[in-house]
Amino acid sequence: EVQLLESEGKLLQPGGSLRLSCAASGFSFSYYAMSWVRQAPGRGLEWVASISGRGETTYYADSVQGRFTISRDNSKNTLYLEMSSLRADDTAVYYCAKAILLQAHDTDFDSWGQGTLVTVSS
Amino acid sequence: QSVVTQPPSASGTPGQRVTISCSGSSSNIGRNSVNWYQHFPGTAPRVLIHSNNQRPSGVPDRFSGSKSGTSASLAISGLQSEDEADYYCVAWDASLNGVVFGGGTKLTVL
Repeated sequence: EVQLLESEGKLLQPGGSLRLSCAASGFSFSYYAMSWVRQAPGRGLEWVASISGRGETTYYADSVQGRFTISRDNSKNTLYLEMSSLRADDTAVYYCAKAILLQAHDTDFDSWGQGTLVTVSS
Repeated sequence: QSVVTQPPSASGTPGQRVTISCSGSSSNIGRNSVNWYQHFPGTAPRVLIHSNNQRPSGVPDRFSGSKSGTSASLAISGLQSEDEADYYCVAWDASLNGVVFGGGTKLTVL
């Protein structure tokens, strides 16, 4: 059974940093692209970033480009999202999602984590 | 404001057929497959339709998807109260080099 478990979110001040992790199990992690998707309070789902199975290709939403970094450690079956220069509008539930293909541009996410809340507020 | 447009809300009575539209452009829906997700707030989203019109195992055949040109649609027949959720269309956008989510449609079962 595929399982994706995000690390605990936090309350952070504007300008702060946080690394989220997503521990994967139940599938051959390195064979599949992974993504982060978020949902701000009262808003819809918003794509954040994607990474290919081997980690050589990454894509970012304009809203996080230059501030967030997606990465993965295939030896640990773990996906990461390094977030810096956090702003109030980064407040959201962050989900990790598994794609069905190796390539980072795949949008068919067949498994999702339960999500973790990141709050940015002074 | 998303580059892929969905109506913010839709509604129907039990047993009815409801359709949710998704309008994009030649850089996203026009050239890439569309996936549809169902999301109950506070839970993990789940894929309902992938590759425009394919249903994963476990998804009832009441749900169907279609695509034509730069638009796609999700149809739900035999509406049930448990279908009350948010629905999103998603595609890759070749111009933005990123994933685009529709704004989401909140389905209410009256």
